[in-house]
Amino acid sequence: GENVEQHPSTLSVQEGDSAVIKCTYSDSASNYFPWYKQELGKRPQLIIDIRSNVGEKKDQRIAVTLNKTAKHFSLHITETQPEDSAVYFCAANYYGGSQGNLIFGKGTKLSVKP
Amino acid sequence: DTGVSQDPRHKITKRGQNVTFRCDPISEHNRLYWYRQTLGQGPEFLTYFQNEAQLEKSRLLSDRFSAERPKGSFSTLEIQRTEQGDSAMYLCASSMGQHSGNTIYFGEGSWLTVV
Repeated sequence: GENVEQHPSTLSVQEGDSAVIKCTYSDSASNYFPWYKQELGKRPQLIIDIRSNVGEKKDQRIAVTLNKTAKHFSLHITETQPEDSAVYFCAANYYGGSQGNLIFGKGTKLSVKP
Repeated sequence: DTGVSQDPRHKITKRGQNVTFRCDPISEHNRLYWYRQTLGQGPEFLTYFQNEAQLEKSRLLSDRFSAERPKGSFSTLEIQRTEQGDSAMYLCASSMGQHSGNTIYFGEGSWLTVV
């Protein structure tokens, strides 16, 4: 089945620096890759997603890149702020079931130090 | 609030008791998902519904777990004879459409503690 690996598990940056989180996936049929941000005790919230027909997508300080050949995708956060501190999860959809579902990575705990 | 809502938000139960969680999806969404999340892990897929039909179940969903969505709107997740290993946050989510590539929106989750 689909497997999503996420690195690093923890990431600490200074405010204003950039942060990069990387994920790899195994199912070449996957074509949808969302990123979720989860603050302590809260629900995962979608921050950006990318589909396989594009290689890059940007939304203000957040960008995601996708390399389908290598089966990896990355989240880039520029000009980090303390409120960016949270756990970030990547995911890939999986067609192994009848209609598929999202398989999540184990998460990256991002800490932005003022 | 037009988001996904879950009830109760927190539940503490004794081992061996049954618990039931309810999820109300976003009103126009026809897909409804249940995920489980433990500390330090990403959400793990349990099952999903397309309208009232339960189309897929994870191997994580043992026979003590049952989910229903009788009218294609709200859903319930029941855990029978709870075990300490069932302690987790149970997340409900919903999406529109027929495909797995549509955006999934999560509820705030139902925290279960089995003592």
